Amino acid sequence: DIQVTQSPSSLSASVGDRVTITCRASQVIADGLSWYHQKQGQAPTLLIYSASTLQSGVPSRFSGSGSGTDFTLTISSLQPEDVATYYCLQDYTTPLTFGGGTKVEI
Amino acid sequence: QVQLQESGPGLVKPSGTLSLTCVVSGGSISASNWWSWVRQPPGKGLEWIGEIYHSGNTHYNPSLKSRVTISVDKSKNQFSVKLTSVTAADTAVYYCARVGATTGIDPWGQGTLVTVSS
Repeated sequence: DIQVTQSPSSLSASVGDRVTITCRASQVIADGLSWYHQKQGQAPTLLIYSASTLQSGVPSRFSGSGSGTDFTLTISSLQPEDVATYYCLQDYTTPLTFGGGTKVEI
Repeated sequence: QVQLQESGPGLVKPSGTLSLTCVVSGGSISASNWWSWVRQPPGKGLEWIGEIYHSGNTHYNPSLKSRVTISVDKSKNQFSVKLTSVTAADTAVYYCARVGATTGIDPWGQGTLVTVSS
């Protein structure tokens, strides 16, 4: 199975800050990585797929980069509504595997 | 707009079988997608359980493979999961979702909490 290591596990930042979350896969997964956020009490929501493609309707302050084994999610200017837990998912091959999550607070 | 809705018992006894169904609306389950189950224990992260194609082909998480079965009913536009020999460790919110070939998991159902307790 491909392991996905996500860091940090939590972070606190101010409104307007640039925030970066990283995921590292234990094997090369090309661009087979997607990003989600999950607000309290809600289902996860897709933000980015294929490592860097913004899902329709997602604000442009979210961006993804990387390929191979190292990937990054960036929020260019943190907003209050971005408080959530963020997960990466390798969907390159089964079994699909999630990162451990990053709790973002303000 | 495809929507998914989980249903099933919210309480299952230890050693029993957890059974959930996901109804797909706004689109056909026979479209070129995989259909997946994901779970989340209270306060913890996400775990992929497995997926099914409309043809009946399946992939399962090796950690659950001996206990899980995912099936599809094209006539009802729904798919289901069964997990046998449950313990308290299987207590979780269970989500159904659509998996794109290269487009991530979207959309997700709202999730349903299943508690394993006597």
